[in-house]
Amino acid sequence: DIQMTQSPSFLSASVGDRVTINCKASQNINKYLNWYQQKLGEAPKLLIYNTNSLQTGIPSRFSGSGSGTDYTLTISSLQPEDVATYFCLQHSSGPNTFGPGTRLALK
Amino acid sequence: EVKLVESGGGLVQPGRSLKLSCAASGFRFNDYWMGWARQAPGKGLEWIGEINQDSSTINYTPSLKDKFTISRDNAQNTLYLQMSKLGSEDTAIYYCARDYGYPYNWFAYWGQGTLVTVSS
Repeated sequence: DIQMTQSPSFLSASVGDRVTINCKASQNINKYLNWYQQKLGEAPKLLIYNTNSLQTGIPSRFSGSGSGTDYTLTISSLQPEDVATYFCLQHSSGPNTFGPGTRLALK
Repeated sequence: EVKLVESGGGLVQPGRSLKLSCAASGFRFNDYWMGWARQAPGKGLEWIGEINQDSSTINYTPSLKDKFTISRDNAQNTLYLQMSKLGSEDTAIYYCARDYGYPYNWFAYWGQGTLVTVSS
């Protein structure tokens, strides 16, 4: 199975900050990487699919990039409603596997 | 609006079985792959498996293949997860999910989850 790691595991930032979250795969996943947001007590929500495609209805301050084994989720200007846990999902091969998550809090 | 509502969770003794259901609405159920994921307390998400539109293809994460069975009833717009020989390691919130739509069969829409607690 492809293993996914994320960094950092916890992140504290101020409103308006640029925030980046990283995801690393144990092998090349050919950009088959999604990002999800999960707020406390809520269902996960799809933000980005296939590395850089923004899901309908998601604010443009969210963006994704990467290739090979390394991928990044960027929030260009952090808003209070972005407080959540973010996790990645690879759907390249084998069973889909998730990253362990990054908890984002306000400073 | 896509709506997925899981049910059937609760407290179950070790070694017993449990069947979860997921009622789907707001879309043509038999047009989409469906699946399950889970999240143990304080842990990350684990992909359990997926089933295609006519149940002819069912994929599982290998470590769970022998104890979990995914099925669906297209007439009832319902997805199921049959779990057997449950242990404490199966304590988790179980999520039902729908795929994005052809050609993508990864999870795009999720339910709120149902909590399964395995304890004596």
